[in-house]
Amino acid sequence: AQSVTQLDSQVPVFEEAPVELRCNYSSSVSVYLFWYVQYPNQGLQLLLKYLSGSTLVKGINGFEAEFNKSQTSFHLRKPSVHISDTAEYFCAVSGPSQGGSEKLVFGKGTKLTVNP
Amino acid sequence: DAGVTQSPTHLIKTRGQHVTLRCSPISGHKSVSWYQQVLGQGPQFIFQYYEKEERGRGNFPDRFSARQFPNYSSELNVNALLLGDSALYLCASSFYGALNTEAFFGQGTRLTVV
Repeated sequence: AQSVTQLDSQVPVFEEAPVELRCNYSSSVSVYLFWYVQYPNQGLQLLLKYLSGSTLVKGINGFEAEFNKSQTSFHLRKPSVHISDTAEYFCAVSGPSQGGSEKLVFGKGTKLTVNP
Repeated sequence: DAGVTQSPTHLIKTRGQHVTLRCSPISGHKSVSWYQQVLGQGPQFIFQYYEKEERGRGNFPDRFSARQFPNYSSELNVNALLLGDSALYLCASSFYGALNTEAFFGQGTRLTVV
């Protein structure tokens, strides 16, 4: 079974500062890793994903993440945040559930607040 | 192109009632998954349907059921509603339903049980 731990429930940061949102996962099999963003009263939007290949993954809106297999981590980074990045961010791992279905296992989320 | 559409966007039900939530996937997508997101938590997997057959079920009671229609749209049904069923219900569609396929989420249905 897979699990995801997002180490920070809330991250406040000033505009134009760098940010890192931390994510650790646990799995006994190879996994695929995702970061989603959720704006207030919205669904989830995919920021980026790691399937295979290069461990540094670039996504939308200037975000990137690095897959570290030895540390079972997939931390999300942005070098300079904007007010509009204020949202909740979810790390997710996909792995098989019964019947071989697609199943995303999400962390509890990190609320990023960007202050002026 | 239209994204994943869910209806209704909000609804309020009384304990013990039944509710049906609807989802239309992106055109061409054959897989639909349902997730429950309780306030302050990440989404939790409820069901996946692919080509009209149930492919997976999360750890939810039998009060929860779903189905997928020939046009790939889907319904989630919840019977005997409890206060704890209050949540945002998210529908996600993908083309293959495979583990490495990107899932696109709808805006969700906010269910409040009183």
